[in-house]
Amino acid sequence: SAVISQKPSRDICQRGTSLTIQCQVDSQVTMMFWYRQQPGQSLTLIATANQGSEATYESGFVIDKFPISRPNLTFSTLTVSNMSPEDSSIYLCSVLGGVSSYNEQFFGPGTRLTVL
Amino acid sequence: GDSVTQMEGPVTLSEEAFLTINCTYTATGYPSLFWYVQYPGEGLQLLLKATKADDKGSNKGFEATYRKETTSFHLEKGSVQVSDSAVYFCALSEWGGSEKLVFGKGTKLTVNP
Repeated sequence: SAVISQKPSRDICQRGTSLTIQCQVDSQVTMMFWYRQQPGQSLTLIATANQGSEATYESGFVIDKFPISRPNLTFSTLTVSNMSPEDSSIYLCSVLGGVSSYNEQFFGPGTRLTVL
Repeated sequence: GDSVTQMEGPVTLSEEAFLTINCTYTATGYPSLFWYVQYPGEGLQLLLKATKADDKGSNKGFEATYRKETTSFHLEKGSVQVSDSAVYFCALSEWGGSEKLVFGKGTKLTVNP
Protein backbone atom coordinates (compact mmCIF):
# COMPACT_ATOMS: atom_id res chain seq x y z
CA SER A 1 0.00 0.00 0.00
CA ALA A 2 1.06 3.58 -0.62
CA VAL A 3 2.37 5.73 2.22
CA ILE A 4 0.80 9.17 2.18
CA SER A 5 1.72 12.21 4.22
CA GLN A 6 -0.09 15.50 4.56
CA LYS A 7 1.01 18.90 5.74
CA PRO A 8 -0.04 20.57 7.90
CA SER A 9 -1.64 18.03 10.19
CA ARG A 10 -3.81 20.75 11.68
CA ASP A 11 -4.24 24.48 11.57
CA ILE A 12 -6.37 27.23 13.00
CA CYS A 13 -7.07 30.05 10.56
CA GLN A 14 -8.90 33.32 10.47
CA ARG A 15 -11.88 33.79 8.19
CA GLY A 16 -11.08 35.33 4.84
CA THR A 17 -7.63 33.77 4.64
CA SER A 18 -6.47 30.81 2.56
CA LEU A 19 -4.66 27.60 3.46
CA THR A 20 -2.76 25.26 1.17
CA ILE A 21 -2.64 21.59 2.13
CA GLN A 22 0.07 19.37 0.72
CA CYS A 23 -0.19 15.68 -0.04
CA GLN A 24 2.93 13.60 -0.70
CA VAL A 25 2.93 9.95 -1.80
CA ASP A 26 5.89 7.58 -1.62
CA SER A 27 5.25 6.16 -5.09
CA GLN A 28 3.99 7.40 -8.43
CA VAL A 29 0.21 7.30 -8.75
CA THR A 30 -2.09 8.33 -11.53
CA MET A 31 -5.18 9.31 -9.61
CA MET A 32 -5.35 11.37 -6.44
CA PHE A 33 -8.48 12.44 -4.65
CA TRP A 34 -9.35 15.14 -2.16
CA TYR A 35 -12.12 14.54 0.37
CA ARG A 36 -13.71 16.62 3.09
CA GLN A 37 -15.02 15.25 6.38
CA GLN A 38 -17.10 17.79 8.22
CA PRO A 39 -17.44 17.39 11.99
CA GLY A 40 -19.35 14.22 12.81
CA GLN A 41 -20.08 13.59 9.15
CA SER A 42 -19.01 11.22 6.44
CA LEU A 43 -16.47 11.87 3.74
CA THR A 44 -17.41 13.79 0.62
CA LEU A 45 -15.29 13.91 -2.51
CA ILE A 46 -14.17 17.41 -3.46
CA ALA A 47 -12.27 16.64 -6.64
CA THR A 48 -10.17 14.14 -8.53
CA ALA A 49 -6.68 15.26 -9.53
CA ASN A 50 -4.82 13.59 -12.37
CA GLN A 51 -1.34 14.65 -13.34
CA GLY A 52 -1.23 16.72 -16.48
CA SER A 53 -4.89 17.64 -16.56
CA GLU A 54 -7.31 19.92 -14.80
CA ALA A 55 -8.90 18.60 -11.64
CA THR A 56 -12.45 17.33 -11.90
CA TYR A 57 -14.73 18.82 -9.26
CA GLU A 58 -17.82 17.28 -7.75
CA SER A 59 -21.13 19.03 -7.62
CA GLY A 60 -21.07 21.76 -5.00
CA PHE A 61 -17.32 22.34 -5.19
CA VAL A 62 -15.68 24.92 -7.46
CA ILE A 63 -12.16 25.63 -8.54
CA ASP A 64 -12.17 29.21 -7.26
CA LYS A 65 -12.86 27.98 -3.74
CA PHE A 66 -10.73 24.81 -3.83
CA PRO A 67 -7.93 25.22 -6.38
CA ILE A 68 -5.85 22.07 -6.82
CA SER A 69 -2.41 21.54 -8.25
CA ARG A 70 -0.92 18.25 -9.43
CA PRO A 71 2.57 19.02 -10.67
CA ASN A 72 3.83 15.42 -10.71
CA LEU A 73 2.85 11.83 -9.96
CA THR A 74 3.73 11.97 -6.25
CA PHE A 75 2.43 15.33 -5.09
CA SER A 76 -0.71 17.45 -4.96
CA THR A 77 -1.98 20.51 -3.15
CA LEU A 78 -5.45 21.65 -2.20
CA THR A 79 -6.06 25.28 -1.29
CA VAL A 80 -9.06 26.31 0.75
CA SER A 81 -9.67 29.91 -0.28
CA ASN A 82 -11.41 32.79 1.46
CA MET A 83 -12.21 30.56 4.40
CA SER A 84 -15.31 30.77 6.57
CA PRO A 85 -16.18 28.79 9.72
CA GLU A 86 -18.20 26.40 7.52
CA ASP A 87 -14.91 25.23 6.01
CA SER A 88 -13.85 23.76 9.34
CA SER A 89 -13.33 20.11 8.47
CA ILE A 90 -10.79 17.38 8.08
CA TYR A 91 -9.36 17.36 4.57
CA LEU A 92 -7.96 14.08 3.31
CA CYS A 93 -6.12 13.10 0.20
CA SER A 94 -6.19 9.59 -1.15
CA VAL A 95 -4.65 7.64 -3.98
CA LEU A 96 -5.78 4.74 -6.05
CA GLY A 97 -3.85 1.55 -5.36
CA GLY A 98 -1.51 -0.15 -7.78
CA VAL A 99 -1.84 -3.39 -9.69
CA SER A 100 -2.12 -5.59 -6.59
CA SER A 101 -4.83 -3.41 -5.09
CA TYR A 102 -6.28 -1.94 -8.21
CA ASN A 103 -9.50 -0.46 -6.93
CA GLU A 104 -8.50 0.33 -3.39
CA GLN A 105 -7.96 3.84 -2.13
CA PHE A 106 -5.38 4.65 0.50
CA PHE A 107 -5.82 7.73 2.62
CA GLY A 108 -3.49 10.24 4.13
CA PRO A 109 -3.76 11.09 7.84
CA GLY A 110 -5.81 14.19 7.12
CA THR A 111 -5.49 17.90 7.85
CA ARG A 112 -7.75 19.18 10.60
CA LEU A 113 -8.75 22.75 9.79
CA THR A 114 -10.49 25.09 12.19
CA VAL A 115 -11.66 28.47 10.89
CA LEU A 116 -12.45 31.16 13.44
CA GLY B 1 -26.58 8.80 -8.37
CA ASP B 2 -24.84 6.18 -6.32
CA SER B 3 -25.49 6.11 -2.59
CA VAL B 4 -24.72 4.12 0.54
CA THR B 5 -26.95 3.75 3.55
CA GLN B 6 -25.64 2.31 6.78
CA MET B 7 -27.24 1.84 10.12
CA GLU B 8 -27.34 4.79 12.43
CA GLY B 9 -25.10 4.75 15.44
CA PRO B 10 -23.75 4.92 17.92
CA VAL B 11 -23.50 1.23 18.73
CA THR B 12 -22.34 0.17 22.18
CA LEU B 13 -21.45 -3.45 22.89
CA SER B 14 -19.77 -5.44 25.59
CA GLU B 15 -16.55 -7.26 24.84
CA GLU B 16 -17.05 -10.61 23.07
CA ALA B 17 -20.49 -9.62 21.80
CA PHE B 18 -21.54 -10.22 18.20
CA LEU B 19 -21.45 -7.22 15.88
CA THR B 20 -23.52 -6.46 12.82
CA ILE B 21 -23.47 -3.12 11.03
CA ASN B 22 -25.92 -3.00 8.17
CA CYS B 23 -25.04 -1.43 4.84
CA THR B 24 -27.11 -1.21 1.67
CA TYR B 25 -26.27 0.54 -1.55
CA THR B 26 -27.72 1.98 -4.73
CA ALA B 27 -25.57 1.97 -7.83
CA THR B 28 -26.10 2.42 -11.54
CA GLY B 29 -23.38 -0.04 -12.47
CA TYR B 30 -21.59 -2.94 -10.80
CA PRO B 31 -19.67 -1.44 -7.88
CA SER B 32 -16.91 -2.65 -5.67
CA LEU B 33 -17.80 -2.49 -1.99
CA PHE B 34 -15.60 -1.53 0.94
CA TRP B 35 -15.55 -1.15 4.66
CA TYR B 36 -13.20 1.49 6.03
CA VAL B 37 -12.37 2.04 9.69
CA GLN B 38 -11.28 5.18 11.49
CA TYR B 39 -9.76 4.57 14.92
CA PRO B 40 -9.78 7.47 17.38
CA GLY B 41 -7.22 10.07 16.36
CA GLU B 42 -6.13 8.11 13.30
CA GLY B 43 -6.66 8.23 9.57
CA LEU B 44 -8.99 6.16 7.46
CA GLN B 45 -7.93 2.56 6.84
CA LEU B 46 -9.31 -0.02 4.47
CA LEU B 47 -10.73 -2.89 6.52
CA LEU B 48 -12.01 -5.19 3.77
CA LYS B 49 -13.45 -5.20 0.30
CA ALA B 50 -15.43 -7.28 -2.20
CA THR B 51 -15.50 -6.77 -5.93
CA LYS B 52 -18.23 -9.08 -7.20
CA ALA B 53 -21.42 -10.78 -6.10
CA ASP B 54 -21.07 -13.43 -3.38
CA ASP B 55 -17.49 -12.41 -2.66
CA LYS B 56 -16.68 -12.36 1.04
CA GLY B 57 -14.17 -9.83 2.29
CA SER B 58 -12.48 -10.55 5.60
CA ASN B 59 -9.84 -9.02 7.83
CA LYS B 60 -9.07 -8.92 11.56
CA GLY B 61 -12.04 -11.19 12.30
CA PHE B 62 -14.46 -8.94 10.41
CA GLU B 63 -16.42 -10.26 7.45
CA ALA B 64 -18.81 -8.88 4.87
CA THR B 65 -20.47 -10.61 1.90
CA TYR B 66 -21.42 -8.84 -1.33
CA ARG B 67 -25.12 -9.58 -1.80
CA LYS B 68 -26.25 -8.32 -5.17
CA GLU B 69 -29.81 -9.56 -4.80
CA THR B 70 -30.33 -7.50 -1.66
CA THR B 71 -27.79 -4.77 -2.57
CA SER B 72 -26.19 -5.23 0.83
CA PHE B 73 -22.73 -5.53 2.37
CA HIS B 74 -23.27 -5.99 6.09
CA LEU B 75 -20.24 -6.00 8.38
CA GLU B 76 -20.03 -8.74 11.02
CA LYS B 77 -17.68 -9.86 13.73
CA GLY B 78 -18.30 -12.77 16.02
CA SER B 79 -16.56 -11.44 19.12
CA VAL B 80 -15.65 -7.77 19.39
CA GLN B 81 -12.80 -6.40 21.46
CA VAL B 82 -12.28 -3.05 23.13
CA SER B 83 -9.68 -2.30 20.45
CA ASP B 84 -12.42 -2.48 17.79
CA SER B 85 -13.90 0.78 19.07
CA ALA B 86 -13.86 3.05 16.04
CA VAL B 87 -16.03 4.60 13.35
CA TYR B 88 -16.87 2.23 10.48
CA PHE B 89 -17.72 3.48 7.00
CA CYS B 90 -19.31 1.49 4.22
CA ALA B 91 -18.39 2.69 0.74
CA LEU B 92 -18.65 1.83 -2.92
CA SER B 93 -16.81 2.71 -6.09
CA GLU B 94 -17.56 2.04 -9.71
CA TRP B 95 -14.42 0.68 -11.34
CA GLY B 96 -13.85 1.95 -14.81
CA GLY B 97 -15.83 5.06 -14.07
CA SER B 98 -14.64 7.87 -11.90
CA GLU B 99 -13.25 5.46 -9.26
CA LYS B 100 -14.46 7.88 -6.62
CA LEU B 101 -15.62 6.48 -3.30
CA VAL B 102 -19.14 7.12 -2.13
CA PHE B 103 -19.37 6.76 1.64
CA GLY B 104 -22.12 6.01 4.07
CA LYS B 105 -22.50 8.27 7.08
CA GLY B 106 -20.44 6.09 9.36
CA THR B 107 -21.29 4.08 12.46
CA LYS B 108 -19.51 4.72 15.70
CA LEU B 109 -18.83 1.54 17.66
CA THR B 110 -17.88 1.55 21.32
CA VAL B 111 -16.88 -1.72 22.96
CA ASN B 112 -16.85 -1.78 26.74
CA PRO B 113 -14.76 -4.22 28.78
